[in-house]
Amino acid sequence: QVQLQESGPGLVKPSQTLSLTCTVSGDSIHSGEYSWSWIRQPAGKGLEWIGRVYRSGNTNYKRSMKSRVSISVDTSKNQFSLKLSSLTAADTAVYYCARGTHSGPTVRFDYWGQGTLVTVSS
Amino acid sequence: YELTQPSSVSVSPGQTASISCSGDQVADGYVCWYQQRPGQSPILVIFQDNERPSGIPERFSGSTSGNTATLTISGTQPMDEADYYCQAWEYGTVIFGGGTKLTVL
Repeated sequence: QVQLQESGPGLVKPSQTLSLTCTVSGDSIHSGEYSWSWIRQPAGKGLEWIGRVYRSGNTNYKRSMKSRVSISVDTSKNQFSLKLSSLTAADTAVYYCARGTHSGPTVRFDYWGQGTLVTVSS
Repeated sequence: YELTQPSSVSVSPGQTASISCSGDQVADGYVCWYQQRPGQSPILVIFQDNERPSGIPERFSGSTSGNTATLTISGTQPMDEADYYCQAWEYGTVIFGGGTKLTVL
């Protein structure tokens, strides 16, 4: 059974950089034909895709966040990570990591982590 | 949100619920739907417009016509009460709808 687990600080100060890690078990990032995404959800609001990384290290980001986001992969640890800079209160959300399975030009998220709440506050 | 969903839909137990998702990107196909119960992570219920992952009940189905995708839940059960999100793609990135709260009453 594939499992994803987010980890990182629950509280970050404005203007700082958020760092989150997703640890994958039950699947190998190195061997599969998947992508690995970060998705967030502010309280009471909808889902927002942030970006993804492939096992090769190639990435795609949401255009409006591209200047602040970096996603990387460490296949030796079976982990991938998110860095989000210049934080504001608007970045307060539950952050999910998810596995993406590709079909033609698009992707579906078939496994999700449990989510981790990140609050941006001084 | 680039995909438009109704904010809420209500249905009586045993009846059919329909949730729409509209946007130019829907016409390109491959729409997915997710169910999210309160305090839980989303679950994929439909992919590629009308395919069900293993373990998803047959009462969940999807369809697409032009720029509108529809999630249909036949014989709705109280356990289906949740938020539902559609998802599509645009220029190699992922977009979600704003979500629909399904109330079973």
